[in-house]
Amino acid sequence: AQSVTQLGSHVSVSEGALVLLRCNYSSSVPPYLFWYVQYPNQGLQLLLKYTTGATLVKGINGFEAEFKKSETSFHLTKPSAHMSDAAEYFCAVSEGQAGSALIFGKGTTLSVSS
Amino acid sequence: EAGVVQSPRYKIIEKKQPVAFWCNPISGHNTLYWYLQNLGQGPELLIRYENEEAVDDSQLPKDRFSAERLKGVDSTLKIQPAELGDSAVYLCASSPYGTGSGELFFGEGSRLTVL
Repeated sequence: AQSVTQLGSHVSVSEGALVLLRCNYSSSVPPYLFWYVQYPNQGLQLLLKYTTGATLVKGINGFEAEFKKSETSFHLTKPSAHMSDAAEYFCAVSEGQAGSALIFGKGTTLSVSS
Repeated sequence: EAGVVQSPRYKIIEKKQPVAFWCNPISGHNTLYWYLQNLGQGPELLIRYENEEAVDDSQLPKDRFSAERLKGVDSTLKIQPAELGDSAVYLCASSPYGTGSGELFFGEGSRLTVL
């Protein structure tokens, strides 16, 4: 069975500081990995995804994540936080077949202070 | 291209009453999902459809929840009767089975409050 663990339910950074949100996964098959962002009272929006190929993937709004198979990790980073980055972030894993359901972590709330 | 459309956005009912949520997926997406999101938690899969067939409903509480996807397009999720613990956001998502990269496209959700 697949699972996702997001370390830290709440992360606080200052504007301009590095953002690091941690995600570890468990999967018996080569996983597809995703990061979604959710703003208050909105649905989930895809930030970035890893399927195959290059292990460093870049997404929208300056975010990127690196797939590390040996560490079973897919941490999300952004070099410089912006106030508008404050939101809930979810890491998710799937079996890799198009149409497979995503298994989500519990989420990390990112707060950005000025 | 229109996204996934859900209605109603908000619903307040008293316990033991029925409630229904509607979802219209992105045109051409034959896979449809209903997820439950409790406050402060990640989404949890309730049911997955491929066209009109429910291929994974193992997490759907079948004593009070039901879902249908007639004609393989729109879908309805029903709760009858609702309980206090059903207060949550119900998310619908769609994806093109067999193609694409596994990304799910989500609607804005239906927030249910049971009093």
